[in-house]
Amino acid sequence: QSALTQPRSVSGSPGQSVTISCTGTSNDVGVYKYVSWYQQHPGKAPKLIIYDVTKRPSGVPGRFSGSKSGNTASLTISGLQAEDEAYYYCASYAGSYTSVFGGGTKLTVL
Amino acid sequence: EVQLVESGGGLVKPGRSLRLSCTASGFSFGDYAMNWFRQAPGKGPEWLSFIRSNGHGGTTEYAASVKGRFTISRDDSKNNVYLQMNSLKTEDTAVYYCARLIMVQGVFRTWFFDPWGQGTLVTVSS
Repeated sequence: QSALTQPRSVSGSPGQSVTISCTGTSNDVGVYKYVSWYQQHPGKAPKLIIYDVTKRPSGVPGRFSGSKSGNTASLTISGLQAEDEAYYYCASYAGSYTSVFGGGTKLTVL
Repeated sequence: EVQLVESGGGLVKPGRSLRLSCTASGFSFGDYAMNWFRQAPGKGPEWLSFIRSNGHGGTTEYAASVKGRFTISRDDSKNNVYLQMNSLKTEDTAVYYCARLIMVQGVFRTWFFDPWGQGTLVTVSS
């Protein structure tokens, strides 16, 4: 499978909102509701922040939200905080027990 | 606490083999599917392999990039999942992670990875 497409970087000031896009195909994002997002700080393991397109695990702030339209999923972070500065990766189920990830987006909090 | 700890990484020459281990704690390991990923410097995670619970047949799947060279297995008595890597290439250099796959929540199907281990570095170089 080909990797999902994400912007290399986004930035925003504290308190602002940013949205990160994740574009796949009709074989993954477009056909399955199993899109998840992961936050990764340098040197750390990925951490789940959104699953099933829109759902937040317990403990993840409500500032994080997800959506999907067609072959593109999006992660929105509102009320940016300094600790949100990290890399963000999207992932999608791609059929036959396989998964595909995005190349990652670096979020800079100005 | 639900936790995964990888081990077995290191420096290996091209063409050689290496076996990674992932030890689970804090949950009923045998009930869950497990996966291996890798992450090269500056890249996103790459899904490598999947193994279902033995109760669901222990089905395995592989990414095209490693199929035929890598083998995933599990030992539920030790709460371990393994990744046997053969015929290693320089492009296999990466941090390797294991992660638990959640396929069902309550009565609903889902698909996400949580938690992830801290990773183990594999360097393939002569």
